[in-house]
Amino acid sequence: DAGVIQSPRHEVTEMGQEVTLRCKPISGHDYLFWYRQTMMRGLELLIYFNNNVPIDDSGMPEDRFSAKMPNASFSTLKIQPSEPRDSAVYFCASRYSGQPSYEQYFGPGTRLTVT
Amino acid sequence: RKEVEQDPGPFNVPEGATVAFNCTYSNSASQSFFWYRQDCRKEPKLLMSVYSSGNEDGRFTAQLNRASQYISLLIRDSKLSDSATYLCVVNYDQAGTALIFGKGTTLSVSS
Repeated sequence: DAGVIQSPRHEVTEMGQEVTLRCKPISGHDYLFWYRQTMMRGLELLIYFNNNVPIDDSGMPEDRFSAKMPNASFSTLKIQPSEPRDSAVYFCASRYSGQPSYEQYFGPGTRLTVT
Repeated sequence: RKEVEQDPGPFNVPEGATVAFNCTYSNSASQSFFWYRQDCRKEPKLLMSVYSSGNEDGRFTAQLNRASQYISLLIRDSKLSDSATYLCVVNYDQAGTALIFGKGTTLSVSS
């Protein structure tokens, strides 16, 4: 079975450019999470969706960040304009509410470098 | 403020050693607890859940002390393949959505 799929795997862009990260959750999963990981701050939750509806975006750092989930199989995280401090690994994760273990399945991540 | 604190390490141990990691969390309203494993430049993966009574999975034993807000992971008979970063994770809501991750403890097992 395919796991969580993210693209691109690596992104290098210049400050001020728009960046769009993409995620395909595991089929049947009704929760989708976006995380950011840096050495300084560790793994932080940015936003999560339940049944394609954004539930909690309190972790989104500022208005430059936006996320959408137009359908159950696709989500995007957009940064516009990007800044060097946005450089990090961005993970998408999904889970199924009917699974009692609360396990979240992570994608391979997108390594973003903003110069 | 919800925080999860871990000793970052690194812990450098020989094969066959027993090693223990500790973790403390700040909010007593926490609901459930986990250890995730993250290999270098890979995604985190669930290692095991942590139950109040303590639980064991092969060479791995996890324990929880709610009164002290303390979680531990014990690895016996360390293998080279155990080298990774171990993330302590605390969940604060009943839906399993509010996961707070520690920054991780790095383990390096050498031959």
